[in-house]
Amino acid sequence: DIQMTQSPSSLSASVGDRVTITCRASQSISNYLNWYQQKPGKAPKLLIYAASSLQSGVPSRFSGSGSGTDFTLTISSLQPEDFATYYCQQSYSIPPVTFGPGTKVDIK
Amino acid sequence: QVQLVQSGAEVKKPGASVKVSCKTSGYTFTSFAVHWVRQAPGQRLEWMGWINTGNANTKYSQKFQGRVTITRDTSANTAHMELSSLRSEDTAFYYCARYRLGATGSLDYWGQGTLVTVSS
Repeated sequence: DIQMTQSPSSLSASVGDRVTITCRASQSISNYLNWYQQKPGKAPKLLIYAASSLQSGVPSRFSGSGSGTDFTLTISSLQPEDFATYYCQQSYSIPPVTFGPGTKVDIK
Repeated sequence: QVQLVQSGAEVKKPGASVKVSCKTSGYTFTSFAVHWVRQAPGQRLEWMGWINTGNANTKYSQKFQGRVTITRDTSANTAHMELSSLRSEDTAFYYCARYRLGATGSLDYWGQGTLVTVSS
């Protein structure tokens, strides 16, 4: 199975900050990498698919990059509604679908 | 619009089974697979399995093999996930999600989640 790791596990940031989250796969997954946002008590929401494609309706301050084993999610200017937990997920080799452990973004 | 609406919260005793439903609307049910993902309190998302809604083929996580059964009812545009031999560690939110294939694959729409509590 492909293992996914994320760093940091949590971060504190202020509104307006630029935030970067990294995700690493245990083997090359090309661009088969998705990012999700989850708020407390809610289902995950797809933000980025295929490593860098913005899901319809997602604000342009979110962007993704990377290929192979190393990926990043960037929020260019953090907004109050962006405080949440972010998960990466690989779709290169399924089953199983595997998720990263998550990165919690909270208010500094 | 695309919607996945799940059945309500359940409380079960250890050893029992639970069946969670996921009713879909707003798209052609048999054109997209449905995956099931669970999340225990404070834990990461954990994939359980999926069903090809067209031909009913299924794939399950090895962790749940033998305990999970995913089915679908095309007349009702609904997928079901049944988990048996419940134990306290199965207390979690259970989510269904639509799988969009495209060039790569992604879970583009999710149900609201169903809390299953296992307690004696």
